[in-house]
Amino acid sequence: DTEVTQTPKHLVMGMTNKKSLKCEQHMGHRAMYWYKQKAKKPPELMFVYSYEKLSINESVPSRFSPECPNSSLLNLHLHALQPEDSALYLCASSPQGEGRINYGYTFGSGTRLTVV
Amino acid sequence: QKEVEQDPGPLSVPEGAIVSLNCTYSNSAFQYFMWYRQYSRKGPELLMYTYSSGNKEDGRFTAQVDKSSKYISLFIRDSQPSDSATYLCAGGGGSGTASKLTFGTGTRLQVTL
Repeated sequence: DTEVTQTPKHLVMGMTNKKSLKCEQHMGHRAMYWYKQKAKKPPELMFVYSYEKLSINESVPSRFSPECPNSSLLNLHLHALQPEDSALYLCASSPQGEGRINYGYTFGSGTRLTVV
Repeated sequence: QKEVEQDPGPLSVPEGAIVSLNCTYSNSAFQYFMWYRQYSRKGPELLMYTYSSGNKEDGRFTAQVDKSSKYISLFIRDSQPSDSATYLCAGGGGSGTASKLTFGTGTRLQVTL
């Protein structure tokens, strides 16, 4: 299995809703990432988990809350989002933990989030 | 100044042409460089990765890194309509950039019949 699976593929939520994005990989990768990508923009790093511990938080607002229940799963909990948070949310994983990215990331197909 | 700069295009070429995609970067600590291809509404797909300066070839794709000028290139030979996508360059590695890839804005490529 060489894939990163993200669910749901599409999500529409109101500003008062609570929802979660899920990401799963079974490649034995020890680093997992959340990226946010707006239209015609590059992916922007949000969080990095290395060996199931949060190692990088790129000053992301607290309405985004990551969770790594185990080495294969990564969640992103969403609460009280704003319309400007609408974007493609990408999960990625890489074989090595912190400090070693030389084999690149494997990205999922993303969750397209619309906040209304 | 952005850490990774890339011409957004769009770049339109006829089928069979050689395509040259380029990026510049400013962070001297970058050691690893990647090229990703992203189709519309899909996640990025890793095409090539290189370490430090030099060339790397894989089929129709050649990645080139010149650390002295902080310049990254991707060449696509015999381009096909299926190559039409956005190409993202990225750099990372080294002290202070652990586990973090920084992406360019992406170049949109259109290969026409």
